[in-house]
Amino acid sequence: EIVLTQSPTTMAASPGEKVTLTCRASSSVSYMYWYQQKSGTSPKLWIYDTSKLASGVPNRFSGSGSGTSYSLTISSMETEDTATYYCQQGRSYPWTFGGGTKLELK
Amino acid sequence: EVQLQESGPGLVKPSQSLSLTCSVTGYSITSNYWGWIRKFPGNKMEWMGYISYSGSTSYNPSLKSRISITRDTSKNQFFLQLNSVTTEDTATYYCARGGRVFDYWGQGVMVTVSS
Repeated sequence: EIVLTQSPTTMAASPGEKVTLTCRASSSVSYMYWYQQKSGTSPKLWIYDTSKLASGVPNRFSGSGSGTSYSLTISSMETEDTATYYCQQGRSYPWTFGGGTKLELK
Repeated sequence: EVQLQESGPGLVKPSQSLSLTCSVTGYSITSNYWGWIRKFPGNKMEWMGYISYSGSTSYNPSLKSRISITRDTSKNQFFLQLNSVTTEDTATYYCARGGRVFDYWGQGVMVTVSS
C-alpha cells in the first residue's frame, strides 16, 4: 500500500503568514486530495485533483505537486484556518491517508 | 443538500460484531459510491471500503475477512458490519459519499470496543 507522510506534524503560524504543508507518497500517485478537519467535526473535502479547490474554499488556499511530492499552501494565514489537514491518495488500492498536519495560530 | 447520518451502538464487546447504519438524504444511493472511513485515537485515518451505485463492493485488504458493506435502497441507507472486533477497532466511524474522493461526510459515530 502507498504510505503518505505529512510534514510537519504540527505547526503554528501567525496571521498573514504564508503556510506550506507537505505530503510525500511512498510511490508515485497521479493526484492528491486534501481534507480539513476542525476539532469535533467531520473532515471536509478541501482540495481535489491536486490543485482544485472544493466548493466554498477560500482562494488563499492552493494545492500543487506531482509524482510523490504534494503540498497545500495558504498564502496568508487566517484564524479560521486552524485545523488538521489530511492528504489522501486515490491512485492505488487501498486508498490511504496521511497522518495529518495540525495547524495552529501563533 | 446531501446529508449523511451514522447510527449504531457506541460500545461493542470484543469478539462481537460492530454494525452501523448510514442514512442518506438529498441524494439517492443508487447513484455514486458510498464509503466508510474510520479515525483512530491518535488521528490515523483508514479507508474501510465502499459500496457502489450498482451494489458492488470494494474493501481494504486489511479488513477483507471481517468487513461487509450492504445497502437498503428502499430506505436509502447503507450499512457497515465488522466482525470479530478487538480493542484495535476503537475509532470514530464516518460514512461518506464517494468511491475515491469523499465530498460529503456524516458527523461520525464513536465506537469503543471494550468488555
